[in-house]
Amino acid sequence: EAQVTQNPRYLITVTGKKLTVTCSQNMNHEYMSWYRQDPGLGLRQIYYSMNVEVTDKGDVPEGYKVSRKEKRNFPLILESPSPNQTSLYFCASTPLAGKTDTQYFGPGTRLTVL
Amino acid sequence: QKEVEQNSGPLSVPEGAIASLNCTYSDRGSQSFFWYRQYSGKSPELIMFIYSNGDKEDGRFTAQLNKASQYVSLLIRDSQPSDSATYLCAVSHGGGFKTIFGAGTRLFVKA
Repeated sequence: EAQVTQNPRYLITVTGKKLTVTCSQNMNHEYMSWYRQDPGLGLRQIYYSMNVEVTDKGDVPEGYKVSRKEKRNFPLILESPSPNQTSLYFCASTPLAGKTDTQYFGPGTRLTVL
Repeated sequence: QKEVEQNSGPLSVPEGAIASLNCTYSDRGSQSFFWYRQYSGKSPELIMFIYSNGDKEDGRFTAQLNKASQYVSLLIRDSQPSDSATYLCAVSHGGGFKTIFGAGTRLFVKA
């Protein structure tokens, strides 16, 4: 089954404790992206990757890191999480960079930073 | 001014009616326009995309784009209670690498 998976689905952590949210897709998609969703603000793009070893900042990259060492994986790293990073996070993938008419979203990761 | 604006709603329509959802955007260089449906607690699901001025129909859904007015809309005909969800408008700049989402409009279809 074609899908985007994220782990963990739920995470409660404390300020400053490094964490990684994994994202994996089994569709051989080139383009992957991370978003956060907050009430009243909609989805905001954090980082995106056009292919292996090619990443770029979205609109809200501060406090986040990403890497794309393999085509299927695009982990989101929070080196020192803070309470303002409490949010619902979505990973998404698209077959080709620049062709987002078939963007697939993962199930989401709800992160709480205390 | 937000780059993509939507009325947050809720928009309430009776079953069988036409639901009209609207979206405006600020970047005239935007080239790709999308409508996503998101049920509570679920991930967004793409339902329509449009690139050219005019109308695009897919089943009960019609997307309308007017680049001169920087306006994109979604019409849902014969609305069903299962259409009750939040509808997100999204806009991509040239190349489609960055996507900007609106905050979404909540739609409630009354049986």
